[in-house]
Amino acid sequence: AQSVTQLGSHVSVSEGALVLLRCNYSSSVPPYLFWYVQYPNQGLQLLLKYTSAATLVKGINGFEAEFKKSETSFHLTKPSAHMSDAAEYFCAVSQSTGFQKLVFGTGTRLLVSP
Amino acid sequence: EADIYQTPRYLVIGTGKKITLECSQTMGHDKMYWYQQDPGMELHLIHYSYGVNSTEKGDLSSESTVSRIRTEHFPLTLESARPSHTSQYLCASSRGGGYQETQYFGPGTRLLVL
Repeated sequence: AQSVTQLGSHVSVSEGALVLLRCNYSSSVPPYLFWYVQYPNQGLQLLLKYTSAATLVKGINGFEAEFKKSETSFHLTKPSAHMSDAAEYFCAVSQSTGFQKLVFGTGTRLLVSP
Repeated sequence: EADIYQTPRYLVIGTGKKITLECSQTMGHDKMYWYQQDPGMELHLIHYSYGVNSTEKGDLSSESTVSRIRTEHFPLTLESARPSHTSQYLCASSRGGGYQETQYFGPGTRLLVL
């Protein structure tokens, strides 16, 4: 069975500060890992995904995430937050074989203050 | 990027009514999915389809039903809506498998059953 834990339902940062959103996963097989962003009243948009190539994955809007197998983590970072980054962020895991069934975390709401 | 549409975006309806949530995608994706998302909670897979005439139930038990008569269309039906069905419903689609597969999401339908 697979699962995802996102630490912190809310994260507040100031504009220009480092963004760090935490994600830990559990998987019995090599995982694929995803970060999605959801803006208010919209669907989910893929930020980036890890599929066993490079452990440091660069995504859209300046976000990146590093896969650390020893820590079973896939934390999302951005060096400098922008007001437009305020949204809900979901980490998800799927198995790398067979049907891609995404298992999502509970989400982290990022708040950015001026 | 996939184009995936959901209608209606918002629906308020009385108990006992039959409703159909529409989902269409224009990218020719073979796989389609329905997720249910309660406020502040993770997404749960309720239905998925490998292709035409293929439908499966997801991890979260749901009283809804789906059909896949055409590749681009994956409607979800509730025969008799109840307040417990109040939620957001997100449709997604994908193509291929393995590391190349990415699920693209529609904007969602917010359902309120009175």
